[in-house]
Amino acid sequence: DQQVKQNSPSLSVQEGRISILNCDYTNSMFDYFLWYKKYPAEGPTFLISISSIKDKNEDGRFTVFLNKSAKHLSLHIVPSQPGDSAVYFCAASAREYFNKFYFGSGTKLNVKP
Amino acid sequence: DAGVTQSPTHLIKTRGQQVTLRCSPKSGHDTVSWYQQALGQGPQFIFQYYEEEERQRGNFPDRFSGHQFPNYSSELNVNALLLGDSALYLCASSTGQGNYEQYFGPGTRLTVT
Repeated sequence: DQQVKQNSPSLSVQEGRISILNCDYTNSMFDYFLWYKKYPAEGPTFLISISSIKDKNEDGRFTVFLNKSAKHLSLHIVPSQPGDSAVYFCAASAREYFNKFYFGSGTKLNVKP
Repeated sequence: DAGVTQSPTHLIKTRGQQVTLRCSPKSGHDTVSWYQQALGQGPQFIFQYYEEEERQRGNFPDRFSGHQFPNYSSELNVNALLLGDSALYLCASSTGQGNYEQYFGPGTRLTVT
C-alpha cells in the first residue's frame, strides 16, 4: 500500500541546470506535503513544504509545485549545485494523521560539476 | 539547542534477540515518531508517542513496542528479531499541536545476523 510514489530512483543533472524531482500520491485526504533531503549517515533534513490550499511554494533555489487534480507534486532546484547531490524524499500527511507521514522511496540526485 | 539525538549509532544483534533504541526529541517538542527505513526505501511509520501514550501506529507487528518518558524522550523496543528487521531506525520529533514540522535524528543502524 504505497500511497506516495517516486518513480525515478535516480537523476543526474549538470551543475547550473534545473533539477526536477517528481512525486505522485493516491490518498486524496493528504493536505500537506514536504520534501526532505538526506545525506548518507544523516537523518532526513526538511527542505520545503506546501499546503494543499496552494499550488506553488518557493524558497530560494527551491520551488515545489502541487497539482491536486493529478495528485502530483514536483520539486524544482534552480540552479543545481554539486552540494545538492543527495537523496530526496517526498512525504505527505493529513491533519487527521497528526504528523504521521507517508514517504516515497526517494530519488538520488547527482549534480555533476 | 540540541536537535534530535539517537543512540546507539550502530547495533548488531542476532536473530531472536531483543533490542532497545533511544531517542531524545528536540527541545520544546513533545511528540516522538519512529520510522523504519529499509535499504533503498523511504521511511515507514512505526508509531507515534504523545503524552506518554501511543497515539497512532503503522502496519508493524506487536514485536515492535515503545515508550515515552515524562521528559518526552522515547524508546523503541523490538522483540524476537528477524533478519528483515535490519534497517535504519529514525526518530522524529514535533509538537503535538497539529504542527507539521518534524525534525529527524541521525538514526540507528540495526543489523540482524
